Amino acid sequence: AQSVSQHNHHVILSEAASLELGCNYSYGGTVNLFWYVQYPGQHLQLLLKYFSGDPLVKGIKGFEAEFIKSKFSFNLRKPSVQWSDTAEYFCAVNAMEYGNKLVFGAGTILRVKS
Amino acid sequence: NAGVTQTPKFQVLKTGQSMTLQCAQDMNHEYMSWYRQDPGMGLRLIHYSVGAGITDQGEVPNGYNVSRSTTEDFPLRLLSAAPSQTSVYFCASSYSGVSHSGNTIYFGEGSWLTVV
Repeated sequence: AQSVSQHNHHVILSEAASLELGCNYSYGGTVNLFWYVQYPGQHLQLLLKYFSGDPLVKGIKGFEAEFIKSKFSFNLRKPSVQWSDTAEYFCAVNAMEYGNKLVFGAGTILRVKS
Repeated sequence: NAGVTQTPKFQVLKTGQSMTLQCAQDMNHEYMSWYRQDPGMGLRLIHYSVGAGITDQGEVPNGYNVSRSTTEDFPLRLLSAAPSQTSVYFCASSYSGVSHSGNTIYFGEGSWLTVV
C-alpha cells in the first residue's frame, strides 16, 4: 500500500531551536519528494523538492531536506526556527510506478514560541 | 497570471444538497486534481485529470464527480452532500504530471465546506 509517514503530529519549539521533521515513505523505485507548508488560513506552498542529483536540497526560508534512499526518508531541517515558521508541514511523495498521483503525509503542526 | 482559482471559499450545505466547487487555472496546465484536507489525515486525492476529456479516480472518489471539458476548468461536484464531506478542498494543477520532467504542482487557496 502507498504510505507516507510523518513521525510527529505536533511539535512545539522555542525560537532559535533547531528543527527536524521526519518523513518516511514505503515506495520502491524512483520517487519525487516534496515538502509543503501551510500557514494558518492559507493554501499550501512549496518549500522544496527533490527529483534527482544532490540528495541535500535547499529550499526557501532557510529550510533544507536530505533524501536518504537507503532509509526511504526525506527529513526536513532548519537550524534556527522563527515564530513565523509556525505552520503545518506536509511531506509528499510521487512514485513513478504510481503515475501522476501525489501522496501526502498526515502533516506536522509546528508551533514556535516567541 | 492568476494561478489556480477556487470558488467559493466558504460554503455551508444541508445534507442531501448538491453543489459544485469551481477550479480554474490560467497556466495552460495539463494536470489538475482535487484533494480534501482533514485533520490528522493530510491531503487525500479525490479525482484527477491529465488533460481535457480525461479524468480518473484518486484515493477517496466516492460521493464526488468531476469533468474536464476544457484545459482551464476542473469542477468538483458533490452529488448529495453528507456530513462526512465536511472538509477543506484544494484544487491543484501542474504543467504535466508530477512524474514528468519535474514540474511543480500549484495549489489553490482552498474551499471550506461544512455539511450540516
